[in-house]
Amino acid sequence: VLLQESGPGVVKPSQTLSLTCAVSGDSVSNSAYSWHWIRQAPGQGLEWIGLIFSGGTTYYMPTLRPRLTISVDTSQNQISLDLTSVTAADTAVYYCVSFWSGYPHWGQGTPVVVSS
Amino acid sequence: AIQLTQSPSSLSASVGDRVIITCRASQGISSSLVWYQQKPGKSPKLLIYDASSLESGVPSRFSGSGSGTEFTLTVSSLQPEDFASYYCQQSHGFPVTFGPGTKVDMK
Repeated sequence: VLLQESGPGVVKPSQTLSLTCAVSGDSVSNSAYSWHWIRQAPGQGLEWIGLIFSGGTTYYMPTLRPRLTISVDTSQNQISLDLTSVTAADTAVYYCVSFWSGYPHWGQGTPVVVSS
Repeated sequence: AIQLTQSPSSLSASVGDRVIITCRASQGISSSLVWYQQKPGKSPKLLIYDASSLESGVPSRFSGSGSGTEFTLTVSSLQPEDFASYYCQQSHGFPVTFGPGTKVDMK
């Protein structure tokens, strides 16, 4: 499975960040996978922020839960992330990652800078 | 959430050195542990999955061991391209969690 993230690059503070993850090589409907978003702020470690299963069940990082929505679009075979009310603390590289029985596939990541 | 700790947080080594990095889990995770290598500006590269299975294409100088709560990543003879950061990650329980990383630099 191949994953390709895309996003706006720069987002203004208080706006909504929207990212997509195009999936190829398999279907997002395949129940064997879980689909995750992981981010890495500059100079920092890796931080899991949320996941979605093919059936639509989601789990979010507790501190982001009020602002975060992850969804699956089976018609486009992609995963989406929406993060509202962004601040400078949301500046990071965002990765789309799939897990199949614990085995990961990573996208290349898309950088996001929150700046006015 | 399952917490992962790594030691050391950083180390200085020379080409040819044997390097061992430890990852400890706050509770038993069976063999559900992955090791990554990351270089600046790059996405994490999978080295080891299921605690001890070598990813295809990864040099055999990398090896992983352990189960339960204690795991190790060993580089048997450090090469110039191995200077990087290394992370462990567990997928035994949700959420997926990562260790804080170990930076390996040149002595």
